[in-house]
Amino acid sequence: NAGVTQTPKFQVLKTGQSMTLQCAQDMNHEYMSWYRQDPGMGLRLIHYSVGAGITDQGEVPNGYNVSRSTTEDFPLRLLSAAPSQTSVYFCATARWGTEAFFGQGTRLTVV
Amino acid sequence: AQSVTQLDSQVPVFEEAPVELRCNYSSSVSVYLFWYVQYPNQGLQLLLKYLSGSTLVKGINGFEAEFNKSQTSFHLRKPSVHISDTAEYFCAVRLRSTGNQFYFGTGTSLTVIP
Repeated sequence: NAGVTQTPKFQVLKTGQSMTLQCAQDMNHEYMSWYRQDPGMGLRLIHYSVGAGITDQGEVPNGYNVSRSTTEDFPLRLLSAAPSQTSVYFCATARWGTEAFFGQGTRLTVV
Repeated sequence: AQSVTQLDSQVPVFEEAPVELRCNYSSSVSVYLFWYVQYPNQGLQLLLKYLSGSTLVKGINGFEAEFNKSQTSFHLRKPSVHISDTAEYFCAVRLRSTGNQFYFGTGTSLTVIP
């Protein structure tokens, strides 16, 4: 069991470029989510999904898109990267009514 | 609206001393409660959780927390800390209602001093 796998681990983008952060899970969890972690701000929810075909916005969705075509995958797309999107991104999954399991994170730098 | 407040951003404590990391939350619906630990350059791992039942919950590495519904608090405690407990600690709530989102506090950096 790999758990929650995020790729890539590190990424440097130029302003205006687009990219996709990948998140895959093998635990058959219904709930999947993306967070960004910035110093002094904790983890802020970007988007989440309660099942395949269903997504919704979190606290800070602007500049990000998601889709959930399968139970296993929940990619996060940056449409036009900005320096303000420099952050550490975490994917987390969960079953109903229990704790979240986190990936190891993706450290993104936008220059 | 939901919010999680961790009152102390940094907590220095001497090795073998007790520690309490405070967490308060506000929510319009009932919640589940969690504490996570994050070591440098790693993801978050679960320390303990309150889902139902006894309000005193025990977790890994000797940590425990008590759910106080009237004060909407979920403070984390350890009677004697070790150097290896130096890390960032996050309190989180999960809504019991539709959506089931998690909300996190801003974190408390615990530094254990030899």
